[in-house]
Amino acid sequence: QQQVKQSPQSLIVQKGGISIINCAYENTAFDYFPWYQQFPGKGPALLIAIRPDVSEKKEGRFTISFNKSAKQFSLHIMDSQPGDSATYFCAAAYSNSGYALNFGKGTSLLVTP
Amino acid sequence: DSGVTQTPKHLITATGQRVTLRCSPRSGDLSVYWYQQSLDQGLQFLIQYYNGEERAKGNILERFSAQQFPDLHSELNLSSLELGDSALYFCASSPRTSGNQFFGPGTRLTVL
Repeated sequence: QQQVKQSPQSLIVQKGGISIINCAYENTAFDYFPWYQQFPGKGPALLIAIRPDVSEKKEGRFTISFNKSAKQFSLHIMDSQPGDSATYFCAAAYSNSGYALNFGKGTSLLVTP
Repeated sequence: DSGVTQTPKHLITATGQRVTLRCSPRSGDLSVYWYQQSLDQGLQFLIQYYNGEERAKGNILERFSAQQFPDLHSELNLSSLELGDSALYFCASSPRTSGNQFFGPGTRLTVL
């Protein structure tokens, strides 16, 4: 079964707007929560990641918010640009599993000019 | 470019056949992960090797097997292929066992 649930499935945002993608998990053993970005015809690429001892992590225009008690985490893309148009995957992993990534189903983001 | 190479880029074969997908990790990376990406199942972890040893196993079918060689490249063998095995197969590598994985460009397998 899907261990990480991701929403929305697709998202359209105007240039300069904020894109928000949400994920939820059940397994409390997870201790690593990355976000991957995938462009058509390419493999996923790590965007940003967080561990559960931190509630927020920011790298440039990308921010992860993490709510351990709710078992939810989200990706915020500030000042969204057309070049951000891609599919975004949240994932969760834990060290005892060799950090095998459990991916959400993905969110297709379109940023319009 | 992640530094991970996968061959072939595309593979078209028939049901019942066997194929081998190859992955060369980034220089120095000891860990190799295999993932399958399909429209209905999404991205699913198959198997991980670390320095030649199997480290973790996911939803990998018994018809599938993998190995990592002394030079650290890895091969994923898929046998008795079915239509439902058509998918993108990604290899990822990391220096050790890590969630920070570098993905290759993938091999697109089409089973006719």
